[in-house]
Amino acid sequence: GNSVTQMEGPVTLSEEAFLTINCTYTATGYPSLFWYVQYPGEGLQLLLKATKADDKGSNKGFEATYRKETTSFHLEKGSVQVSDSAVYFCALRTNAGGTSYGKLTFGQGTILTVHP
Amino acid sequence: DAGVIQSPRHEVTEMGQEVTLRCKPISGHDYLFWYRQTMMRGLELLIYFNNNVPIDDSGMPEDRFSAKMPNASFSTLKIQPSEPRDSAVYFCASSFTDYSRETQYFGPGTRLLVL
Repeated sequence: GNSVTQMEGPVTLSEEAFLTINCTYTATGYPSLFWYVQYPGEGLQLLLKATKADDKGSNKGFEATYRKETTSFHLEKGSVQVSDSAVYFCALRTNAGGTSYGKLTFGQGTILTVHP
Repeated sequence: DAGVIQSPRHEVTEMGQEVTLRCKPISGHDYLFWYRQTMMRGLELLIYFNNNVPIDDSGMPEDRFSAKMPNASFSTLKIQPSEPRDSAVYFCASSFTDYSRETQYFGPGTRLLVL
């Protein structure tokens, strides 16, 4: 079956530090990959996505590259801000038909705290 | 766009009571998902619908949970009777079928506390 594994958290950084949150996956076929972000007290929001191998998703200074050879989709940001403090979820969606269409498989989430 | 709307935002009830959570998806979306989030288990998919029809309810924890989608603009998740272990944040999400617009949009969640 499909699964997503994220690095253990929580992650605590100082402002302007470099961020990496690791994500690896197991899936059949050729999944689409996503990073979602959840700010305190809110629902999840799509941060970025990549739909095929070697695609790079980017948004708000965050980037992630779809690496098929290593089955990874690590999230990076060169300089984090206090406002980036949130929970980050890696997810995949298989593109096969049938009843699994549209269903996301989420990782366990990584809590990021950025201090001034 | 109003986004996915959930109500109530907070619910406190006593064990044994019936709880009904409501969701209005984004207009035009044909998929609707119910998730539960807890510290211990993370984010779990409970059930999802396509064109108002339940497609996969394998995540529904037990018979005390039921979900309906009577029309394209409304869905309910009901817990009867509720138990303290049902305390969690329940999210509703919706999306298009169209592969190019496959993002799921989440509502703000309903925070449920069962005493």
